[in-house]
Amino acid sequence: NAGVTQTPKFQVLKTGQSMTLQCAQDMNHNSMYWYRQDPGMGLRLIYYSASEGTTDKGEVPNGYNVSRLNKREFSLRLESAAPSQTSVYFCASSGGPPETQYFGPGTRLLVL
Amino acid sequence: SQQGEEDPQALSIQEGENATMNCSYKTSINNLQWYRQNSGRGLVHLILIRSNEREKHSGRLRVTLDTSKKSSSLLITASRAADTASYFCATRAGANNLFFGTGTRLTVIP
Repeated sequence: NAGVTQTPKFQVLKTGQSMTLQCAQDMNHNSMYWYRQDPGMGLRLIYYSASEGTTDKGEVPNGYNVSRLNKREFSLRLESAAPSQTSVYFCASSGGPPETQYFGPGTRLLVL
Repeated sequence: SQQGEEDPQALSIQEGENATMNCSYKTSINNLQWYRQNSGRGLVHLILIRSNEREKHSGRLRVTLDTSKKSSSLLITASRAADTASYFCATRAGANNLFFGTGTRLTVIP
């Protein structure tokens, strides 16, 4: 079991460029989440998907879009990257309502 | 805004000592969870305590919950250098979301 995997591990973008962060889980979990972590801010929820085919906004959704491609995969897209989106992005999954969440290793994104 | 807030922000202790960190939150919760994050890694779940529980143990971890004060504490006994990490509390208030605090950075000196 790989658990939760994320790609890429590190990315540098220029302002205005777009990119998609990929996340996959092999635990047959219904719920998946995208967070960003900034120094001194803890983790903030961007979007989540309670089940395949549904997505909902979290605390900081502006500038992001998501796709729940199937039960395993949940991607996060930045259409036009901004320096304020420089952060570490974590994907997580859980079996249902947020009991234990399992986290991926993170993607470090730098927007210049 | 975030639900949980940890205290202290940073804690440095000698190996073998106990480490206590606290979490305060703002609204009624279903459960409260503690996670650990090693530097440069993802978060790892440590323990979950439900709103109708007051204390829970897991190995060297002891968690308490006081819903009247909207606070929780995490005690790590007989700390080891490997316990060096950041510790986050997370609260579940609604159906689908967890709210994470800003974390306590623990350093255990060998």
